[in-house]
Amino acid sequence: DTGVSQDPRHKITKRGQNVTFRCDPISEHNRLYWYRQTLGQGPEFLTYFQNEAQLEKSRLLSDRFSAERPKGSFSTLEIQRTEQGDSAMYLCASSLAGTVTETQYFGPGTRLLVL
Amino acid sequence: GQQVMQIPQYQHVQEGEDFTTYCNSSTTLSNIQWYKQRPGGHPVFLIQLVKSGEVKKQKRLTFQFGEAKKNSSLHITATQTTDVGTYFCAPLHGSSNTGKLIFGQGTTLQVKP
Repeated sequence: DTGVSQDPRHKITKRGQNVTFRCDPISEHNRLYWYRQTLGQGPEFLTYFQNEAQLEKSRLLSDRFSAERPKGSFSTLEIQRTEQGDSAMYLCASSLAGTVTETQYFGPGTRLLVL
Repeated sequence: GQQVMQIPQYQHVQEGEDFTTYCNSSTTLSNIQWYKQRPGGHPVFLIQLVKSGEVKKQKRLTFQFGEAKKNSSLHITATQTTDVGTYFCAPLHGSSNTGKLIFGQGTTLQVKP
């Protein structure tokens, strides 16, 4: 078990560019979550998948954000036409649904800076 | 929507002193999880509380869930420098079937050696 991995760990981009982040969850986990965290705040829920189905998306998430989990394994989060306000840490977490304690295991995050 | 408030936002203690952070909700919670995030790190699961009035201990850490399931606390006895970090409470949103967590803003603990 290598844990949740995310790539890249850091991304600097110019405003207006598109960026894509990848998350590889723990292999047997069927749920995958994306969160965004800004300095001094707790992680904010963005969206989550159960297997390949995207079951919920935050109302705070603009149409510029899209996430996929095509085969129920890894997931990608794309931000189109980035804005400076998108600068944040993007965290991925995975869990195994149906367990008594559905612990979410977080990856190291991708830190995005939009110039 | 469902929100939780954590107090205090920051706490500076001398090594060896005790520390407590409180998590309060205006709505009844089905359960609550606690996470720790070290500086520059990612949230790491500590514990889950489900039952009204539940108390769980992990070495120097004591977690409580209120009788009304609207508040929770984390108490650290005799803090050590390794306790430094931000502690988040995170109840499950709505039905526990979603697994979706709503994080508080956290309490950041600094420990002076």
